[in-house]
Amino acid sequence: QITLKESGPTLVKPTQTLTLTCTFSGFSLSTSGVGVGWIRQPPGKALEWLALIYWDDDKRYSPSLKSRLTITKDTSKNQVVLTMTNMDPVDTATYYCAHYTETYSMDVWGQGTTVTVSS
Amino acid sequence: EIVLTQSPATLSLSPGERATLSCRASQSVSSYLAWYQQKPGQAPRLLIYGASHRATGIPARFSGSGSGTDFTLTISSLEPEDFAVYYCQQRNNWLFTFGPGTKVDIK
Repeated sequence: QITLKESGPTLVKPTQTLTLTCTFSGFSLSTSGVGVGWIRQPPGKALEWLALIYWDDDKRYSPSLKSRLTITKDTSKNQVVLTMTNMDPVDTATYYCAHYTETYSMDVWGQGTTVTVSS
Repeated sequence: EIVLTQSPATLSLSPGERATLSCRASQSVSSYLAWYQQKPGQAPRLLIYGASHRATGIPARFSGSGSGTDFTLTISSLEPEDFAVYYCQQRNNWLFTFGPGTKVDIK
């Protein structure tokens, strides 16, 4: 059974850097074709894809946020970390991590973690 | 960057009715199109991948069709638990985007 869980601060100040951790079980991020993605959702708004890291350490980012995002993995710890710099109140959202497969979709999602950006 | 457009924004139907949701891509995404269902306070759930393949455990009343730029999600007969928001998602050149969503609510 695949599970994922997001963790990180619930409140950050404007201009600070956000660091979120996705801890997963039930799969290995060294298995060919597998990835972990990050997606966010501002209150009452649509889903927005942020980044994805593949089993071979290939990394892809949303073009509009690429300059602010870094995604890394620690295969031994079964963790993926997303950092987002220069946080702004518009970045207030629920942040999800999800398991990606060669079906080109995210088939299992974490419960999400809510991040508020406010001074 | 490929833009996905979903229509209608809101679909008001009664239980037992057929729901037809549309997703259009600004350029071809082949069959790299997925559909998700999201209920309030919950994470999205994968319904359809590869435009037409039901994910594990998804009831047969959900079906997907289309390729290229035009896609459809059909719910053949709405059950009470199907009233939710539905998003399409594409993958192109190893980048992803989601559509703005269609809300299916009770008429």
